[in-house]
Amino acid sequence: GAVVSQHPSRVICKSGTSVKIECRSLDFQATTMFWYRQFPKQSLMLMATSNEGSKATYEQGVEKDKFLINHASLTLSTLTVTSAHPEDSSFYICSAPSGGKDTQYFGPGTRLTVL
Amino acid sequence: AQSVSQHNHHVILSEAASLELGCNYSYGGTVNLFWYVQYPGQHLQLLLKYFSGDPLVKGIKGFEAEFIKSKFSFNLRKPSVQWSDTAEYFCAVNAHNNNDMRFGAGTRLTVKP
Repeated sequence: GAVVSQHPSRVICKSGTSVKIECRSLDFQATTMFWYRQFPKQSLMLMATSNEGSKATYEQGVEKDKFLINHASLTLSTLTVTSAHPEDSSFYICSAPSGGKDTQYFGPGTRLTVL
Repeated sequence: AQSVSQHNHHVILSEAASLELGCNYSYGGTVNLFWYVQYPGQHLQLLLKYFSGDPLVKGIKGFEAEFIKSKFSFNLRKPSVQWSDTAEYFCAVNAHNNNDMRFGAGTRLTVKP
């Protein structure tokens, strides 16, 4: 099946710094990718839809200036958490559809800890 | 927009017990329904999905789910659980021909050996 990777898998940073998370589709192209965050013992919440060649679409309540998304190519989307604060600590997961619009493949996630 | 509710937050079973996890969705149009599993320390994996046709779908590892349109439900079942089924289970829905997927809160399943 299709494979989605994320890098890094884990990152610890100081408050106020920016962190970039990469999401790659390894064996397929994805014009759209999705970014989710998952708090401990909670479900995945869709943050934004990343669109190759155009601006990302953000869900209500998600600050677009804080969570910068760039879909640089058909296989890469990046999420940058700017000026990170402890409340941004979470598990960030990306997904990409393949083999039809309704089938998504998920990355392994990135655990962000902001001190 | 569509929404999903999972009624059971944490289910504890003994090995060989039967499993049924509830999932209800809210959406007025045609939907696709999914069950994902997340084993400890691992990423989400698709267990099964329903797009159309036979409302009883069979997935991997002996899991199945039944779509009951009149009840807006898509419950997950397994006749006999194993210790290795210990994981978090998420029900998800997206509108037909739409990648915008919404997840339920998840159900943690603990299977005691």
